Amino acid sequence: NAGVTQTPKFRILKIGQSMTLQCTQDMNHNYMYWYRQDPGMGLKLIYYSVGAGITDKGEVPNGYNVSRSTTEDFPLRLELAAPSQTSVYFCASSHRNLPEAFFGQGTRLTVV
Amino acid sequence: AQTVTQSQPEMSVQEAETVTLSCTYDTSESDYYLFWYKQPPSRQMILVIRQEAYKQQNATENRFSVNFQKAAKSFSLKISDSQLGDAAMYFCAYRSVGDDKIIFGKGTRLHILP
Repeated sequence: NAGVTQTPKFRILKIGQSMTLQCTQDMNHNYMYWYRQDPGMGLKLIYYSVGAGITDKGEVPNGYNVSRSTTEDFPLRLELAAPSQTSVYFCASSHRNLPEAFFGQGTRLTVV
Repeated sequence: AQTVTQSQPEMSVQEAETVTLSCTYDTSESDYYLFWYKQPPSRQMILVIRQEAYKQQNATENRFSVNFQKAAKSFSLKISDSQLGDAAMYFCAYRSVGDDKIIFGKGTRLHILP
């Protein structure tokens, strides 16, 4: 059972480039989340989804977009990358009957 | 809005000793969950323990236990018989029942001294 899988694990982007962080889960979880982790700042919620076709903004959504066309996949799109988006990104999922989230391995993104 | 505060950015403890990590939270809800997650150098986020607010009994998982004080909105994590593998960043987190979001504190980095 793979759980939550994120790709890539590392990426370097140039300012102004775009990319998609992939996230897939095989636990049939309803809820999926994207967080970013910056040193000393904990995890901040970017976007989340309660099911296929439904997404909502979190605390820091600017500069990002998401889609949820299937239960399994929840990609995060960065348009026009900026140095402020240098961070570690985590995808997570949870089931409606279990409150805790299960996390992917994270993606370390550097924008130069 | 709910908030989670971890006031200790870093802590150190001697191997085999006991250490307590602090967490306070602010909410107007009465029904919620609290969590402690561990993030070792591998970066993986691992659930350590979960507490349901309606339960008066403190949760325990082997060497990890919590002190849940609902009225004081306090949720501390006690690690007994500390081991080198306990060295990690620890995050306190909150989720209201019926809410979709999980809110995290800023974390406490725990060092284990051999």
